[in-house]
Amino acid sequence: ETGVTQTPRHLVMGMTNKKSLKCEQHLGHNAMYWYKQSAKKPLELMFVYNFKEQTENNSVPSRFSPECPNSSHLFLHLHTLQPEDSALYLCASSQGFTRGNTIYFGEGSWLTVV
Amino acid sequence: AQTVTQSQPEMSVQEAETVTLSCTYDTSESDYYLFWYKQPPSRQMILVIRQEAYKQQNATENRFSVNFQKAAKSFSLKISDSQLGDAAMYFCALPHGQNFVFGPGTRLSVLP
Repeated sequence: ETGVTQTPRHLVMGMTNKKSLKCEQHLGHNAMYWYKQSAKKPLELMFVYNFKEQTENNSVPSRFSPECPNSSHLFLHLHTLQPEDSALYLCASSQGFTRGNTIYFGEGSWLTVV
Repeated sequence: AQTVTQSQPEMSVQEAETVTLSCTYDTSESDYYLFWYKQPPSRQMILVIRQEAYKQQNATENRFSVNFQKAAKSFSLKISDSQLGDAAMYFCALPHGQNFVFGPGTRLSVLP
């Protein structure tokens, strides 16, 4: 069972395609995150939203475009990606940024760029 | 800057035995939390255990416990009575502002 659901679980796209990753959290949290997990690299924070407002963009290339229409939904729009963008993209949520708050993850969307 | 280091890329343990995963970190904060997360092959990262730096008592959750050495900035995870379902990647994490800084992970194999 998961309070954070991500779709699709697997995505293969060409470098000229436009696709989107979707995330939904059912935990009543107000903060949502996108992380990138590549082989042999630590998790990299991409974006943070708090109450629908983007509060952090960790120098992510513009070919990744996040959207947060409400506190429960988060999208990652993908456009003109490169093969090195192939990775597992993890969505997460938390009840704000108070010390000790746990971050909850979805199962991830495995992206392959060909 | 906050950093988290896990010096063991891979570990293995015999079923029913005990294993300890290492984590060291660096932070300039005095009050903070530390977390261990588990990522099994299904890929969902789940919380294993967390520790508040101000609490001297080491956190325990069933078969999982930590050895928190604040002065040494060490936060190891001990898994007792290892089970096959414990096989996973384990990540040590340190919250920093709106981010969680994760270590590179330790892949734990459990041998039957």
